[in-house]
Amino acid sequence: GEDVEQSLFLSVREGDSSVINCTYTDSSSTYLYWYKQEPGAGLQLLTYIFSNMDMKQDQRLTVLLNKKDKHLSLRIADTQTGDSAIYFCAESYSGNTPLVFGKGTRLSVIA
Amino acid sequence: SQTIHQWPATLVQPVGSPLSLECTVEGTSNPNLYWYRQAAGRGLQLLFYSVGIGQISSEVPQNLSASRPQDRQFILSSKKLLLSDSGFYLCAWGGGQGNQPQHFGDGTRLSIL
Repeated sequence: GEDVEQSLFLSVREGDSSVINCTYTDSSSTYLYWYKQEPGAGLQLLTYIFSNMDMKQDQRLTVLLNKKDKHLSLRIADTQTGDSAIYFCAESYSGNTPLVFGKGTRLSVIA
Repeated sequence: SQTIHQWPATLVQPVGSPLSLECTVEGTSNPNLYWYRQAAGRGLQLLFYSVGIGQISSEVPQNLSASRPQDRQFILSSKKLLLSDSGFYLCAWGGGQGNQPQHFGDGTRLSIL
């Protein structure tokens, strides 16, 4: 079945870049997403990428997609303490189908 | 712009009591609606999703049910809560006008005593 894998923890120093990695198994995934969850809050959509794209950049965020290896990454430039949160990778077959989520990567930013 | 409202924010219920969580969406029509549960281990589990009024797909057999009485209203219910129903419940919408990606509500933290 479909599966999305992420490392559980990442710790970086303030001002450094963070790279959160994700692998997925479903080769028919068309949409790939990154969500951010702060403590006690819902999920905030950060960015998403279509499978026919290799890269998407949005201010401090850069998403890279290697479709051959089914690998997705989120790079946060100049990481700030406010970036501390859990980051979820998710995939779906289409924009109208349910998402399959990874278990989330807890990003800790050290001042 | 589209917004999603979910309430209550927190709820403490005794075992065996009923449950009703409500979710409404504004600013779009014919959205797909979803209920997820997030347990202490952080993963999100899809419970139900709906592509239209009265159309509910259930992903996990359990003592919960969902209903969609109106286009932009999604309700999660239970007749008798179990201890294992504790968790963080998240409503989401997607699709609709402009085929939007999924956006989540602020969640309901449910504690069963």
